[in-house]
Amino acid sequence: GAVVSQHPSRVICKSGTSVKIECRSLDFQATTMFWYRQFPKQSLMLMATSNEGSKATYEQGVEKDKFLINHASLTLSTLTVTSAHPEDSSFYICSAGGPQGLGTDTQYFGPGTRLTVL
Amino acid sequence: GQQVMQIPQYQHVQEGEDFTTYCNSSTTLSNIQWYKQRPGGHPVFLIQLVKSGEVKKQKRLTFQFGEAKKNSSLHITATQTTDVGTYFCAGRVTGGGNKLTFGTGTQLKVEL
Repeated sequence: GAVVSQHPSRVICKSGTSVKIECRSLDFQATTMFWYRQFPKQSLMLMATSNEGSKATYEQGVEKDKFLINHASLTLSTLTVTSAHPEDSSFYICSAGGPQGLGTDTQYFGPGTRLTVL
Repeated sequence: GQQVMQIPQYQHVQEGEDFTTYCNSSTTLSNIQWYKQRPGGHPVFLIQLVKSGEVKKQKRLTFQFGEAKKNSSLHITATQTTDVGTYFCAGRVTGGGNKLTFGTGTQLKVEL
């Protein structure tokens, strides 16, 4: 149990286009999902916390209008990178708060989406 | 802001040798979690420590949470090639909700 999927796993796009990444909790409901960014050989940096039915909470330095987050249901959160530029190229990973019984403090991570902006 | 540092940044060992990574937080933590990320993969949850001075074991892995709840360690006994990956600690601050701050990570390479 506690499986999180992400789609797409890899995307290559031209500079200026927008890219949407989906994060789904497959076998549990997640009221909270988290979006991270990881540059090569670096740690995970939290971008925002996404709560179902409410606005996301962004970390300092993360542009809300650049990284649009929608958490429309208990099993789906989306991250849209708007007008992507090469410096946005990174590994984007989502996680979902674990279900009851498996430890509500636990975050279960999706497989990640590797974004390359040309 | 809160910082979580890990040392060493890299470690190469021969198979069968022991390995330890240390995690230090600039602030007191309510709990700490450890994750393993294989090359090209995503972080996988290993364990959570909550109590001051807590020690937990998973087969060859031993996790400790410091008395002051500001540091932690992961020790692997008799490493195997399957232990290769980057180990991250991630701390949660009291009053910070479910937000995790990840450590800088320790990359482990195991040679035959």
